[in-house]
Amino acid sequence: KNEVEQSPQNLTAQEGEFITINCSYSVGISALHWLQQHPGGGIVSLFMLSSGKKKHGRLIATINIQEKHSSLHITASHPRDSAVYICAVARLQGAQKLVFGQGTRLTINP
Amino acid sequence: SAVISQKPSRDICQRGTSLTIQCQVDSQVTMMFWYRQQPGQSLTLIATANQGSEATYESGFVIDKFPISRPNLTFSTLTVSNMSPEDSSIYLCSVVGLAGPGGFGPGTRLTVL
Repeated sequence: KNEVEQSPQNLTAQEGEFITINCSYSVGISALHWLQQHPGGGIVSLFMLSSGKKKHGRLIATINIQEKHSSLHITASHPRDSAVYICAVARLQGAQKLVFGQGTRLTINP
Repeated sequence: SAVISQKPSRDICQRGTSLTIQCQVDSQVTMMFWYRQQPGQSLTLIATANQGSEATYESGFVIDKFPISRPNLTFSTLTVSNMSPEDSSIYLCSVVGLAGPGGFGPGTRLTVL
């Protein structure tokens, strides 16, 4: 079993819909990251969380440390949000190395 | 956060050749990492680049195949040696700054024919 599991693996939605992507992990962590990867391959860091909730524009990320679970929400989704969203955790012991989930491929249709 | 650049952004190479990828950061960072993302897979850590000393490799990765240099606190190179089609991947560098995680480079898309 992977240390970081994301669901769903693929998600297709219509423009304007509310999107939720989930991430569960099985190890103790110091932080959790949500990343966005566009088709060209470059990765953009969206959020780094160690507790609670963060909001940036239409993106919201939450984490529940006790349940070892995080969610990424996108409100009023837009075709430009189409990308692969990746959850990554920094283990408590691990010198800041990250363990990555498999990613969720999101497609927003106009 | 740090601005990270990588060169080249993409390349197509013949099997048996080698390619060196550069990662440049606009500020001093404490740690630099090299990751690989094979097609359809998640990112996997290749090694931690150590300034002035040999890199620390993860299981399954060896120095002869992926030599790494880090001559100072803002620059590192990863060489993919004696390439085969299985080395076709996106290679990313990542840094940890003085204040915490610093982000990722834009990636280098490598295709080996």
